[in-house]
Amino acid sequence: LAKTTQPISMDSYEGQEVNITCSHNNIATNDYITWYQQFPSQGPRFIIQGYKTKVTNEVASLFIPADRKSSTLSLPRVSLSDTAVYYCLVVDTGRRALTFGSGTRLQVQP
Amino acid sequence: ETGVTQTPRHLVMGMTNKKSLKCEQHLGHNAMYWYKQSAKKPLELMFVYNFKEQTENNSVPSRFSPECPNSSHLFLHLHTLQPEDSALYLCASSQEGPGGASYGYTFGSGTRLTVV
Repeated sequence: LAKTTQPISMDSYEGQEVNITCSHNNIATNDYITWYQQFPSQGPRFIIQGYKTKVTNEVASLFIPADRKSSTLSLPRVSLSDTAVYYCLVVDTGRRALTFGSGTRLQVQP
Repeated sequence: ETGVTQTPRHLVMGMTNKKSLKCEQHLGHNAMYWYKQSAKKPLELMFVYNFKEQTENNSVPSRFSPECPNSSHLFLHLHTLQPEDSALYLCASSQEGPGGASYGYTFGSGTRLTVV
């Protein structure tokens, strides 16, 4: 399993862009990267996933450099409701279950 | 509503009680999971079921007993729990594709369990 490392916490203000970087130095060729968001007392919710380069959806963008040893989740113009824990996961395509790390606790201030 | 429903949302039980947590998925998935999330700790995988067969048990104490009668329902039977078992118990489901990869991984909202 590829281990991930991400900051424990981040602070931001409403309207700012937030970038959360995750390192995964031993990612395998068939692995892909996925990000989840979790609010208190709720289950994690899928945000975005990718294999390489850039992926964008209505919620976020995911940037993955060519060596794939890191990835950056970009949240444009955050609001108070984006306060949550964000998890970076490296998914082994041969394994059913997801393995979660400690995540990044994002606090958005007014 | 995510398509994965857990009941009850909150449960308080004594150490000598027996209770069950229920999970139901309406997504047509063929794999289901139980996770435990204690305060300020990462989610811990407890059990994995695929087509009703248990495929993983991550050294979970026997006071937790899972049951998967069909691909849509998953139960976690609890007995003689300890206060340290108090946590958020999350159910998830996914569709297993070729080679064992999972797609559409979806979590329920969890059951907040307090053992007194």
